[in-house]
Order: sequence, then structure tokens, then C-alpha cells
Amino acid sequence: ETGVTQTPRHLVMGMTNKKSLKCEQHLGHNAMYWYKQSAKKPLELMFVYNFKEQTENNSVPSRFSPECPNSSHLFLHLHTLQPEDSALYLCASSQEPGRVKNIQYFGAGTRLSVL
Amino acid sequence: AQKVTQAQTEISVVEKEDVTLDCVYETRDTTYYLFWYKQPPSGELVFLIRRNSFDEQNEISGRYSWNFQKSTSSFNFTITASQVVDSAVYFCALIVLRGANSKLTFGKGITLSVRP
Repeated sequence: ETGVTQTPRHLVMGMTNKKSLKCEQHLGHNAMYWYKQSAKKPLELMFVYNFKEQTENNSVPSRFSPECPNSSHLFLHLHTLQPEDSALYLCASSQEPGRVKNIQYFGAGTRLSVL
Repeated sequence: AQKVTQAQTEISVVEKEDVTLDCVYETRDTTYYLFWYKQPPSGELVFLIRRNSFDEQNEISGRYSWNFQKSTSSFNFTITASQVVDSAVYFCALIVLRGANSKLTFGKGITLSVRP
């Protein structure tokens, strides 16, 4: 139990569907992250939020839309995805990104399959 | 730019064997932090250790030990007397603190299989 909870754990969607991934952290952190993990590739940072403000968008296609209503919750809204978007999507949280004690704690991920 | 290389992709050992996972990093910065994470089949990345660039002292935690050598830019991880529960993907990562632009750079991971 890392203190970061992601739902759903598994998601299958068609290319025309709209779905959302949810992440919640109970660690009192102020920064939250979305990563994409594809087979045989390093983890790819997608978005960073610090105190609810987006500080990083790593050239992610607009079919991925993040939302951070407060420091404990992070969403990833998905629409008109492509089959190549199938991957494990991991959420993480930490203290502010630039702090010396910055350690990112990860959730178990959502395994997304796009048909 | 930072880079982390985990040249081994898959390692298979028999239970009770010792195994070393290699990590080589590149950065021009003199202050940085190195990490190891474990990703079991359940999916979550579990934080194992963080080491700063000024602390080259090796660390031991139970069956786990880490060897940090700045001279070779390596931060290797050894599991002694491996167990089936050690089967997982292990990631090495590097961060250089640059305020809001601080980002973890991960290696591709090493899949460790421990057979009974």
C-alpha cells in the first residue's frame, strides 16, 4: 500500500468512447504526476501538477486531458483514443518537485486497452 | 540531459542465488539523486532507495545492497539469497533538482525472474 490509489485497475474502451482515470493520494503531497508505461519503453512522463497548477505537459496529444481539482485528486480524461494508446497509466505523488526530499510514490496503475 | 541505462533486460536465477542489477547514468550536474524502484506483477512502483550524489557510502538493507560509484557513474543493486517474491521489474532512476522542472529519468527496467 503506497498511499496512492488508482481506479479503475483495468479499462477496455473503443476508439469513440470517453472515459476517465482517477488517482487519489493520502500522503499529504502537493505534486501529482501521470506517466505512461508501454511495453519495452521507459516510463514516459505525461503531466505534472504542483499545488493544482499544471507545470508540465510533455507534448501529450489533446485526446488526453488532465484535471486536478485539489492536491489529493488527479484525473485523466480520455476521448477518441488510438490503439497505440494502450498501456499502463501510472499516477504518482510527491512533495513539491524541486524539494530535496522529493520522492515519488506510485499507484498500481490502470491497464488500458483501446480496441 | 540526463540518461539512465539498464543494459540487462531480463535476468533469470534460481532461488537463493545472488543477483546484481546494473545501472549506469549520465548527467553533467554534480548534484543529483539516484533511485531504485521495484514493480511487482501488481503494477505499482515501490520505492526502494534514494541516494544523493555526495554520498558514495554503500548501503545494505536486509538482503538488498546498493553500490554507488561516481567514478564509473554506476548505481548497482544486489539481492542476496534471492526469493521468488523478488520477481519483478526493477527500475533505476535519476533526478536533478531544478525547481518545478525537476523530473525523474527512468531506465527501461530489468525483469528479474526467480525460480523455485
